[in-house]
Amino acid sequence: SQQGEEDPQALSIQEGENATMNCSYKTSINNLQWYRQNSGRGLVHLILIRSNEREKHSGRLRVTLDTSKKSSSLLITASRAADTASYFCASLPYSSASKIIFGSGTRLSIRP
Amino acid sequence: GAGVSQSPSNKVTEKGKDVELRCDPISGHTALYWYRQSLGQGLEFLIYFQGNSAPDKSGLPSDRFSAERTGGSVSTLTIQRTQQEDSAVYLCASSAASGPYEQYFGPGTRLTVT
Repeated sequence: SQQGEEDPQALSIQEGENATMNCSYKTSINNLQWYRQNSGRGLVHLILIRSNEREKHSGRLRVTLDTSKKSSSLLITASRAADTASYFCASLPYSSASKIIFGSGTRLSIRP
Repeated sequence: GAGVSQSPSNKVTEKGKDVELRCDPISGHTALYWYRQSLGQGLEFLIYFQGNSAPDKSGLPSDRFSAERTGGSVSTLTIQRTQQEDSAVYLCASSAASGPYEQYFGPGTRLTVT
């Protein structure tokens, strides 16, 4: 079973609004990554935040990390129809050589 | 350079038959992962190869599933005596030997067992 939990499981917003997705994990981590998946095919890496970082930006993406709460959030600003996809967080535990643990994902729908 | 490739992209098989799914990772990537994803669901970890170490098979759902990685490169996932519940998209990913272990995914193989 997946260790990561994401909420909400599904999110529908109007184009132009901001979308926020949350992720929780269970063990101490080295880093946390966010991935995007279109149409049930391969995932694409979006952004990575290390355990000693609290916030990171990449274009319209903003990721925060709270290691005391073992949680992360992904914010997509000024959403576009093309942002419609599933978004997964993935944590790399300290105890793992390189095996990351994926969350259950959030399905994001952007209404035009 | 070339990304992760998988073949076939789609496979339809009859219940009880064996299938082989292939993954070609990015050249030089020592870590290789197989996942399974049922429709609308998250990723289910199956197996993980890292260099010459013994693979982590903890996610394989039954002894009908096996995987090998030859020469530290190409990997084959084999499902014997397929069942309808095996129908899913099988995703392969690879990552480099050193951190931060960002995974690069192939397009997946959609398996349908009839």
